[in-house]
Order: sequence, then structure tokens, then C-alpha cells
Amino acid sequence: AQSVTQLGSHVSVSEGALVLLRCNYSSSVPPYLFWYVQYPNQGLQLLLKYTTGATLVKGINGFEAEFKKSETSFHLTKPSAHMSDAAEYFCAVSDVGSNYKLTFGKGTLLTVNP
Amino acid sequence: GAGVSQSPSNKVTEKGKDVELRCDPISGHTALYWYRQSLGQGLEFLIYFQGNSAPDKSGLPSDRFSAERTGGSVSTLTIQRTQQEDSAVYLCASTTEREETQYFGPGTRLLVL
Repeated sequence: AQSVTQLGSHVSVSEGALVLLRCNYSSSVPPYLFWYVQYPNQGLQLLLKYTTGATLVKGINGFEAEFKKSETSFHLTKPSAHMSDAAEYFCAVSDVGSNYKLTFGKGTLLTVNP
Repeated sequence: GAGVSQSPSNKVTEKGKDVELRCDPISGHTALYWYRQSLGQGLEFLIYFQGNSAPDKSGLPSDRFSAERTGGSVSTLTIQRTQQEDSAVYLCASTTEREETQYFGPGTRLLVL
């Protein structure tokens, strides 16, 4: 069975500082990997995804993530945090064998301080 | 174009009542998923529909939960004899058969008193 671990349920950064949200997964086959963002009282919005090819993927709003197979990690980064980045972030995995259903991490709440 | 829509956006019900939650997927999307987001359990898969294939019901937590998808489009998730632990946000997502990305609706926030 797949599982996703997000280290840190709450991360707090200053505006302009580096954002690093950690995600590790366990899967028997190379999975597809996703980061979703959820703003208060809204649904999930896709930030970026990795399926195949280049392991460094760029997403919306200046976020990027790198797939490291040897470390089974897919950490999310942004060089400079903005107040509007405050939200909850979810890492997720899926694979063909599971009908692409998503297995999510517990989420990381990002707070950005002025 | 229009995204995934869900109704109602909020639902308050009494313990023991039945509720129906509706999902309208993006037009042309053949795959539809239901997830539940609760404080204790996080985001969990409930059920998956793909075209005319038999649904994957492996995530439904009990036989009080059921779902159907009529005409390959609109889906309804039904919870019978609701319990307080059913209180959660129920999210629907859709995608094309070959698209890995799931597009989520805004969710239905269910509160069981």
C-alpha cells in the first residue's frame, strides 16, 4: 500500500524567505507525484506534478519540486515566500495499478509572517 | 470553461437522517472520484467511477455509504443514517481517462448534529 509522509504539520516563514515543505512516499512502483494547495473553504488546486521525464518540475506561483527516487522524496520549494502563499499544502501519490486514486499526506499548513 | 461543481456547499443534518451530495464533473471527463476530508483522518479516497466500468468502492467506510453516476456524468453520494463521525468535507474530482491530474470541486461541508 502507498503512503505519504509530510514532515511538519505547520511551517512558519517570514515574507521573502525560502519555503521548503517536505514530502516522502512509499510505493512499490514508481508513482505519479502531486502537490496540491488548499485555501480556506476552497477545494484543492494543483500546484505541480511529476509523472515521467525531468525530475525537477515547475508549477504555478513560483513553486517547484524535485523527484528524488533514491530518497523517495518530492519536496516543494519556493525561493521567496509571499503573504498570498499562506494555505495548506498536500502531497499526494497515485499509480496506474490503483486507478490513479490519490493517497494524500496529512498536509502542511504554511504561515507567512510579515 | 466550467470546473467541477458540487452541491450543496454546506449541509447540516440530524443524526440518523439520510443525505445526498451531488457532483457535476467537467464536461467530457470520464473519470470521477469522491474523497472525504476530516480532521481526524485527513484526505481519504472513497469511490471511483470510470466510464461504464464497475466502480471501485474500496474506500467506502461502511455500507451506509453509496454512490452512483448516472449517464456517465453527474454523481450522487448518499449517506444513510448519518452519524456524527460522518461530519467532514466531501470532495469530488474528475479527469479524462488518460489525464493523471484530478480537478477538484469546492466540496460539500457536512455537519451531523
